[in-house]
Amino acid sequence: GQQLNQSPQSMFIQEGEDVSMNCTSSSIFNTWLWYKQDPGEGPVLLIALYKAGELTSNGRLTAQFGITRKDSFLNISASIPSDVGIYFCAGLGGNKLVFGAGTILRVKS
Amino acid sequence: DGGITQSPKYLFRKEGQNVTLSCEQNLNHDAMYWYRQDPGQGLRLIYYSQIVNDFQKGDIAEGYSVSREKKESFPLTVTSAQKNPTAFYLCASSISGFETQYFGPGTRLLVL
Repeated sequence: GQQLNQSPQSMFIQEGEDVSMNCTSSSIFNTWLWYKQDPGEGPVLLIALYKAGELTSNGRLTAQFGITRKDSFLNISASIPSDVGIYFCAGLGGNKLVFGAGTILRVKS
Repeated sequence: DGGITQSPKYLFRKEGQNVTLSCEQNLNHDAMYWYRQDPGQGLRLIYYSQIVNDFQKGDIAEGYSVSREKKESFPLTVTSAQKNPTAFYLCASSISGFETQYFGPGTRLLVL
């Protein structure tokens, strides 16, 4: 079946640093989504990308829909302690939403 | 205040028991979904419903059952046939089938 490769698996960074994570796939997707999940809570949608090449920002977050439609990245600028959590990418193709395994972000204050 | 609610937050199941997890949404979304999340893994689709009175199996439907009698509600029953039910269960909804999905807060199921 379809799979998303999300990397890195985890990150431990200094407060104030920029963060970058990405997802790649062997399949083409029509939509890329990025979610953040806090411990014990449901994922919250951060950014939705609907068009190849699209670059979208939401505050300190920026995400891009790869031109090949097989990848996407998420950048977080000037990280703060509340950025900790698990970040998931998800690709929507046909009638299925496929999730990456997540990137665990830990911030050292 | 529109959103998705799941209850209970924590649920305990005894051996051989069926338990039902509740999911309600007031977003007027047609489609609803159930996912299972295990530690260190992504979300896996259990069942989904694109319209009232219709639902389809996802990737890991064995040992689970659902119903969709009302647009707002999509309860999930974890049956005794599910041998490894301990997990975090997430309900989601979207305007229509497999568009951008929005998640509820989750139910953690533990086996006694």
